[in-house]
Amino acid sequence: QVQLQESGPGLVKPSQTLSLTCTVSGGSISSGSYYWSWIRQPAGKGLEWIGRIYTSGSTNYNPSLKSRVTISVDTSKNQFSLKLSSVTAADTAVYYCARMTTVTGWFDPWGQGTLVTVSS
Amino acid sequence: EIVMTQSPATLSVSPGERATLSCRASQSVSSNLAWYQQKPGQAPRLLIYGASTRATGIPARFSGSGSGTEFTLTISSLQSEDFAVYYCQQYNNWQPYTFGQGTKLEIK
Repeated sequence: QVQLQESGPGLVKPSQTLSLTCTVSGGSISSGSYYWSWIRQPAGKGLEWIGRIYTSGSTNYNPSLKSRVTISVDTSKNQFSLKLSSVTAADTAVYYCARMTTVTGWFDPWGQGTLVTVSS
Repeated sequence: EIVMTQSPATLSVSPGERATLSCRASQSVSSNLAWYQQKPGQAPRLLIYGASTRATGIPARFSGSGSGTEFTLTISSLQSEDFAVYYCQQYNNWQPYTFGQGTKLEIK
């Protein structure tokens, strides 16, 4: 079955850009009708949807983060990526990637998550 | 933005008993609601979608109900592995998708 795995730096300095990649295995990122999403969770807190991308490159972002977020896809590598600019300590969180179909809205499966800490 | 409110924040229940978790939406989300279970150090796992349909492999002791703005997740006869944090999520409006703040189900 499809599995997702996040990767990227665990420490980012304030004002810099957070960059993460999600690698999809067990299936092609281009097959089927799926959106690929990023979701984050600050320690001890709830979940926040960041945005999604379709394999065509079409994106949708959470309005609260839209000015700082870019999600892209590399179908040749079966990966999609997240960039979050001008980070502050408030962006410290576990970042998850997840899949959803284009006709539904729930997230399944999820990657295991990766902790990103924003600190100097 | 649709605000999802879960109650209670913490629920203490004994193994073998029934647990009832609530989720309320700030406006109608029809039946476009999902429930997730999250254990410490793990990613959320999909339990229920469409307010009442169990995801693949989810035991029958998990059931969901509701529509519009009021939803319930019921876990009958709690097992030790069921103690976790549970989140609801609306997908009626993707601008943006939103989650509740979670209910922690703990052993009494």
